[in-house]
Amino acid sequence: GIQVEQSPPDLILQEGANSTLRCNFSDSVNNLQWFHQNPWGQLINLFYIPSGTKQNGRLSATTVATERYSLLYISSSQTTDSGVYFCAVNAGGTSYGKLTFGQGTILTVHP
Amino acid sequence: GAVVSQHPSRVICKSGTSVKIECRSLDFQATTMFWYRQFPKQSLMLMATSNEGSKATYEQGVEKDKFLINHASLTLSTLTVTSAHPEDSSFYICSASNAPGNGELFFGEGSRLTVL
Repeated sequence: GIQVEQSPPDLILQEGANSTLRCNFSDSVNNLQWFHQNPWGQLINLFYIPSGTKQNGRLSATTVATERYSLLYISSSQTTDSGVYFCAVNAGGTSYGKLTFGQGTILTVHP
Repeated sequence: GAVVSQHPSRVICKSGTSVKIECRSLDFQATTMFWYRQFPKQSLMLMATSNEGSKATYEQGVEKDKFLINHASLTLSTLTVTSAHPEDSSFYICSASNAPGNGELFFGEGSRLTVL
């Protein structure tokens, strides 16, 4: 099956810093989503981005499907950005509901 | 976006008992819902696909008799963990899409099961 690798596994920042999270995947995808899992476990949708670039406030994401990677940019980080960031892909030829998740990046933002 | 809600958010039960978790789509109808499981400090994995009015389909390695799924209406799917054991302790989270052709999935709040 498709492999999804996220880097870095852990990231510690001071409030106000910028960061880039990376997601590499091993095969073509129909769908790619970025999520933020908050301390209570809820998955918050950040981006639905099978290709191209999107921006939402301090967050933006770029997926280069032909090169099989996606990047999530966080600018001017805040303590509330702390949590786990997951990249998840839907591989070609599979049900749209089957997302394969990476192992996540644990982000800690200190005041 | 679409709103998916789960209940209960936390449940503690004794070994050997059964536990039911509900997943509802609040502002759209979902003929298909998806149940995922997340063990501590790990990623999420799809367990099964819940189909309204028909049998669920299970991923390889998931016991269908252990994890009973019912999708009786267009807004409700239930997951029943039968004869629960401590190894079933996990975070169970459901998802659905309000536009299946689009493919964006929205997740519920999750249900944390602890089996004593």
